[in-house]
Amino acid sequence: NAGVTQTPKFQVLKTGQSMTLQCAQDMNHEYMSWYRQDPGMGLRLIHYSVGAGITDQGEVPNGYNVSRSTTEDFPLRLLSAAPSQTSVYFCASSHPDGYGYTFGSGTRLTVV
Amino acid sequence: AQTVTQSQPEMSVQEAETVTLSCTYDTSESNYYLFWYKQPPSRQMILVIRQEAYKQQNATENRFSVNFQKAAKSFSLKISDSQLGDTAMYFCAFMATGTASKLTFGTGTRLQVTL
Repeated sequence: NAGVTQTPKFQVLKTGQSMTLQCAQDMNHEYMSWYRQDPGMGLRLIHYSVGAGITDQGEVPNGYNVSRSTTEDFPLRLLSAAPSQTSVYFCASSHPDGYGYTFGSGTRLTVV
Repeated sequence: AQTVTQSQPEMSVQEAETVTLSCTYDTSESNYYLFWYKQPPSRQMILVIRQEAYKQQNATENRFSVNFQKAAKSFSLKISDSQLGDTAMYFCAFMATGTASKLTFGTGTRLQVTL
């Protein structure tokens, strides 16, 4: 049972480049989310999904797109990378039962 | 909107001692969950303990327990018999029921366990 798998684990981008962070879960969780972690700020919600075909914005959605075509996958797209998007990104999934999220191992992204 | 405050950026405790990490939150919701997550140097986010707001009994998980004071909106984590492996960043998080499991995190407390 792999849980939540994020790829890549590390990435360096140049300003203006685009890329997709991949996230897949094998627990048949309905809910999936993307968070970013910055020093001194905890984790902040970027986008979330309550099921295939349904997504919504979180606290810091600007510069990011998501889609959810299947229950298992929830990719995060950076449209035009900026240095302010340098961060650690976490994907997470859960059932709608209040038992909390299972997190992926994170992606450290550096935009130069 | 909810806010979660962790007022202790860093703490240190000796091995085998007990330490308490503080967390306060602000919400107008009546039904919610509270969590403590641990983030060791490996970066992995690990769920430590969970509390349902409608339950008065404090949650416990082995050496980890909480002191949940709903009226005061306080949710502290007590770690007993601290071990070197407890060295990590600890995050308090809030989730209102019916909000698509959206978590609001505090800024974290870095705990160092020393010999």
